[in-house]
Amino acid sequence: NAGVMQNPRHLVRRRGQEARLRCSPMKGHSHVYWYRQLPEEGLKFMVYLQKENIIDESGMPKERFSAEFPKEGPSILRIQQVVRGDSAAYFCASSPWFQGGEKLFFGSGTQLSVL
Amino acid sequence: GENVEQHPSTLSVQEGDSAVIKCTYSDSASNYFPWYKQELGKRPQLIIDIRSNVGEKKDQRIAVTLNKTAKHFSLHITETQPEDSAVYFCAARTNNAGNMLTFGGGTRLMVKP
Repeated sequence: NAGVMQNPRHLVRRRGQEARLRCSPMKGHSHVYWYRQLPEEGLKFMVYLQKENIIDESGMPKERFSAEFPKEGPSILRIQQVVRGDSAAYFCASSPWFQGGEKLFFGSGTQLSVL
Repeated sequence: GENVEQHPSTLSVQEGDSAVIKCTYSDSASNYFPWYKQELGKRPQLIIDIRSNVGEKKDQRIAVTLNKTAKHFSLHITETQPEDSAVYFCAARTNNAGNMLTFGGGTRLMVKP
């Protein structure tokens, strides 16, 4: 059973470009969570999705950031018109759908660097 | 919403000594408290967790205690080894937030050989 897969592992963008980060949850998991981690800081919640549904996006900036988890394919975190302050590690996590499945399993993250 | 505070931010111990990391949470409805270990440049990995109906849980050299009344929980590592060196994060989950976790700021543990 492969773990949570994220790609790319490293992403370099110039200011104003778009960044697309992909996350495939563990097999059998239907809940996906995106977290952002700045250097020397903790994990900050951004968005929680189920298939074709955003459940909670309270941690995501209102502008330039969007997320989706389509019926088929990986979850995508999209950042438009990136700025230097978007440079961070973005981690995706997944969990099972059944009640009691609280354990979150994290991917290896995408390190976004904005030049 | 939930707020999780974690102390200390850095902790240095001698190999073989014990290490204790403490966290407090604000939402009395929180009912699940995991701990993650993150090595440099790697993913956070779940090392132990505890639910609100349990006061203590142990797994080999690692134990977690929970005081619901005081709203704090702690990670205890005994007989520390150099490979325990990492950043440790506590987290709390509120019942009405799906499986979303709120994390503490992290503790950098350094075990000196």
